[in-house]
Amino acid sequence: DTEVTQTPKHLVMGMTNKKSLKCEQHMGHRAMYWYKQKAKKPPELMFVYSYEKLSINESVPSRFSPECPNSSLLNLHLHALQPEDSALYLCASSEYRVQFFGPGTRLTVL
Amino acid sequence: GDSVTQMEGPVTLSEEAFLTINCTYTATGYPSLFWYVQYPGEGLQLLLKATKADDKGSNKGFEATYRKETTSFHLEKGSVQVSDSAVYFCALSPTSGSRLTFGEGTQLTVNP
Repeated sequence: DTEVTQTPKHLVMGMTNKKSLKCEQHMGHRAMYWYKQKAKKPPELMFVYSYEKLSINESVPSRFSPECPNSSLLNLHLHALQPEDSALYLCASSEYRVQFFGPGTRLTVL
Repeated sequence: GDSVTQMEGPVTLSEEAFLTINCTYTATGYPSLFWYVQYPGEGLQLLLKATKADDKGSNKGFEATYRKETTSFHLEKGSVQVSDSAVYFCALSPTSGSRLTFGEGTQLTVNP
């Protein structure tokens, strides 16, 4: 099974809202990732967790807050977002340098 | 730093045509190479991979060979279908670590 699941599939939020994105994998992978993808562009790395510890933060604004409660779960907490943060947010997990992606959450910030 | 260059799109083909999407890379050491496919409204799916020179990755009729001498990993398919319409990303993972470097993506449209 090479499945990464993400919820919700779609999310619309106002600039003053607080919401969270959720990602789950049961492949035993020890590295998990958040990416942001704008239309017609490749994914941009935001955060990397390795063995449940944050190992890479690509200078992401603090209105994005990642959390890794356990080895299977990854959350991305959103607060006070801007319209330019509207994008597809992808989660991935990896083993032996191969990354497997989830279906993404389509986020719209009004 | 590492980089991946893909042929510019969009690419439009008729059904059953031959497909080539060029990909070249710059990296030190022995990177792993990947092709990912993204269908409209979906996430990225791993299409195929190669981890060392001369490896051939293949899946669903698609093939790509890791050519270290030309630093290339071109994607090919002998007969495309309408259902192959998608964006294709070439990517590499360095010798150490799993951080992916992506190409810009190539939009493929296959007409019946």
